[in-house]
Amino acid sequence: KQEVTQIPAALSVPEGENLVLNCSFTDSAIYNLQWFRQDPGKGLTSLLLIQSSQREQTSGRLNASLDKSSGRSTLYIAASQPGDSATYLCAVKGYQKVTFGTGTKLQVIP
Amino acid sequence: GAVVSQHPSWVICKSGTSVKIECRSLDFQATTMFWYRQFPKQSLMLMATSNEGSKATYEQGVEKDKFLINHASLTLSTLTVTSAHPEDSSFYICSATLNVGGISNQPQHFGDGTRLSIL
Repeated sequence: KQEVTQIPAALSVPEGENLVLNCSFTDSAIYNLQWFRQDPGKGLTSLLLIQSSQREQTSGRLNASLDKSSGRSTLYIAASQPGDSATYLCAVKGYQKVTFGTGTKLQVIP
Repeated sequence: GAVVSQHPSWVICKSGTSVKIECRSLDFQATTMFWYRQFPKQSLMLMATSNEGSKATYEQGVEKDKFLINHASLTLSTLTVTSAHPEDSSFYICSATLNVGGISNQPQHFGDGTRLSIL
């Protein structure tokens, strides 16, 4: 059974800092890994998708890496802004099933 | 723009009522749709996997007679919470994906969720 863990569970940083969110998974037999953000009471917004054959993906200030063999992914956020405050979820796609991580709640303080 | 539409976004109803939630893929044919449930301050828990034209596969602990899933077309899946009770109050989210060649490395596209409150 796939288990996905995210560390830290919560993070508070001052505006402008660079930060790293971590995601680890127990079963390396995955098709892809996706990072999402979720605002309170809202649905999910997809940020980055990394296929199992890829090492990283970048979009603007976001960079996600994937080390499938060690079961780890990181989401790097450069020059954080108050608008980045949200809960960040990673999700790994196995055979027709997606397992979500526990989430990291990020607060960026102006 | 949104590629998955979920409706309604918010429902309040009396205990004992059945509630239907719709999930539509807007610009692609979704061979597989997923239904998730999210409790406050927790992550998403997969309830069931729905493949078009076949019965849904429910996760362990999810009552299939309580949560009826229908995926009658490639663009529509519905979740019906039957005889809802206060403990069914939650945030329900659907997602859709396109399977290619029987497996999928395609991204999940999520609806905006439905907040269900049972009085």
